[in-house]
Amino acid sequence: DAKTTQPTSMDCAEGRAANLPCNHSTISGNEYVYWYRQIHSQGPQYIIHGLKNNETNEMASLIITEDRKSSTLILPHATLRDTAVYYCIVRVEKNTGFQKLVFGTGTRLLVSP
Amino acid sequence: ETGVTQTPRHLVMGMTNKKSLKCEQHLGHNAMYWYKQSAKKPLELMFVYSLEERVENNSVPSRFSPECPNSSHLFLHLHTLQPEDSALYLCASSKGPGTNTEAFFGQGTRLTVV
Repeated sequence: DAKTTQPTSMDCAEGRAANLPCNHSTISGNEYVYWYRQIHSQGPQYIIHGLKNNETNEMASLIITEDRKSSTLILPHATLRDTAVYYCIVRVEKNTGFQKLVFGTGTRLLVSP
Repeated sequence: ETGVTQTPRHLVMGMTNKKSLKCEQHLGHNAMYWYKQSAKKPLELMFVYSLEERVENNSVPSRFSPECPNSSHLFLHLHTLQPEDSALYLCASSKGPGTNTEAFFGQGTRLTVV
């Protein structure tokens, strides 16, 4: 699976949009981009994933560049509860019956009042 | 609440003890996982079970022994652990073959080996 690069930490003011970047320049055509987050001392939580097109759900939006070498997770109105470590993961969707997620160090997002 | 329940939430054990961590899901998922998260380190995948068969073992020492008696339950049996095994142990599950969905994680068991 392709390697990802994320900033170590970011700050965001409450109520503002949080834009978290991820570089995955070695991504191949059949690899998906997944985002998870981990609030302190809890298990990771799935946020969103995509292949080529931009995606939106109730939690966030995922913008993938046309060349697919980078993506941005957008939390449109960050709240204090969005303070967490955000992981960008690239993986192939294999029909193997299981999801092998390889976590990096992620981006620590701090949302402040 | 993710639908994946881990017990106990906290565990302190001596190096000569034997204990077990339990994970349970009633989401109808066919794959289950154990991850380890040590302080200041990324999550590490330990074991993967698909349809109750172990399909991945990432060079985990034999003092960690997984068991998957059915698709809803996963155990991690611990014996003669070392202090460096102290970590957050996370269980996850996901749907079975032919699907493209996310993994659901439990809240984890915080293990301290003394």
